[in-house]
Order: sequence, then structure tokens, then C-alpha cells
Amino acid sequence: SQKIEQNSEALNIQEGKTATLTCNYTNYSPAYLQWYRQDPGRGPVFLLLIRENEKEKRKERLKVTFDTTLKQSLFHITASQPADSATYLCALLSGGYQKVTFGIGTKLQVIP
Amino acid sequence: GAGVSQSPSNKVTEKGKDVELRCDPISGHTALYWYRQSLGQGLEFLIYFQGNSAPDKSGLPSDRFSAERTGGSVSTLTIQRTQQEDSAVYLCASSSRTESGANVLTFGAGSRLTVL
Repeated sequence: SQKIEQNSEALNIQEGKTATLTCNYTNYSPAYLQWYRQDPGRGPVFLLLIRENEKEKRKERLKVTFDTTLKQSLFHITASQPADSATYLCALLSGGYQKVTFGIGTKLQVIP
Repeated sequence: GAGVSQSPSNKVTEKGKDVELRCDPISGHTALYWYRQSLGQGLEFLIYFQGNSAPDKSGLPSDRFSAERTGGSVSTLTIQRTQQEDSAVYLCASSSRTESGANVLTFGAGSRLTVL
């Protein structure tokens, strides 16, 4: 069966350090992978999209990698700030790139 | 509208009652999605619409759940004979295709359903 795995345990990191979150998947061949941020009581907010033929994508302090051989994406936040504390979700696109399936998310806590 | 609007924001109902949840997507967005998020859990895919048709209804938990979309705009998720396990936040998202061909979702704030 298809699975998207994210570390469900919270990740605590010191302010200023780089946070790295992992998304692994099985039985998918996604052409696209996305990352979203979710704050308590709110809907997820889109951050970045990466295509299967892209190894890396950057946006300000964010970096995403996509390794289709390992079936893994890494999400990095450099120079982390307490305001980066949230749950981060990875999502895979299938079904003609229209069906969007989410992982359970990893909660990040940046400690001042 | 400027964003995805969902109503009601909160709904408390008694077991066995029917409920309707409404989603008003961003104007011009052709795709619309419903997800369910239980406390401390991830987003569970329910259904998505492309225009008024639903190519994938595989996530609907049971035949008590149904959804429709009319005029390529507003969508309603209906839960009949609600059960306590239906308690969750129901999130709606709409989307348009990016230049790359992928759908990027914009979510509403959700409708919190509590079944007593």
C-alpha cells in the first residue's frame, strides 16, 4: 500500500541552528512533492514544490531536496527562529497530479 | 473571494443528526478538496472535485458521507446520522494549476465538528 512517512515525534532545535525534517514514501511514483506549514487551529499553508527532475529547491531560508531513488525528501530551515515553530507536512501528488496526499507531519519547536 | 471560506467554523451536534459543511473556494479555482483532521492526526483525504465532477471519492469513510459541488464553485460535505468518531476538523482547499502543472492547495480555516 502507499505510505508517506514523517517522523511523528516532535523535533526540538536551538534557535539559529538548521532544522532538517524527513519525508519518506513507498509505492508512489510522484512527479511532484510539496511541503506545507500548519499552525495550531489553522489550515496548512503551502511553502515549496519540487519536481521529480529537480534535486534541490530553495526559497529564502528554506531548502528542499528530492531523491526519487531513495524515495525521500529532506526539508531544511536554516538559521531557525522561534517563529518557525509549527507542524510541517509533506504532500505527494498523484492521479494526474491532482490528488494530493499528506503525511502526518512533524512538529518543530525552535527554542530561543 | 480573497481566500477559501468555510462554514460553520464550529458545529456541535447530537449523535444521529445530519450535518452540512460548506466550502466557498477562491474564485476561478477549478479543483476543490476535502480533508479530515482528527485531534493530533494528519490530514485524511476525503474527496476532490475537478469542476463539478469528483474523479476520486476513495477517501469517503462510509456511505454516510457525501459531497457535491455546483456551478464549479461552492461545495457541500454532508454527513448523515453522525457518529462520535466523525468528530474532527474538516478542511477544504481549492487549487489552480501552476505553470508546472501541479496543484498547489490553499486551505480554509476548517469546520470543527463535535458529535456528542
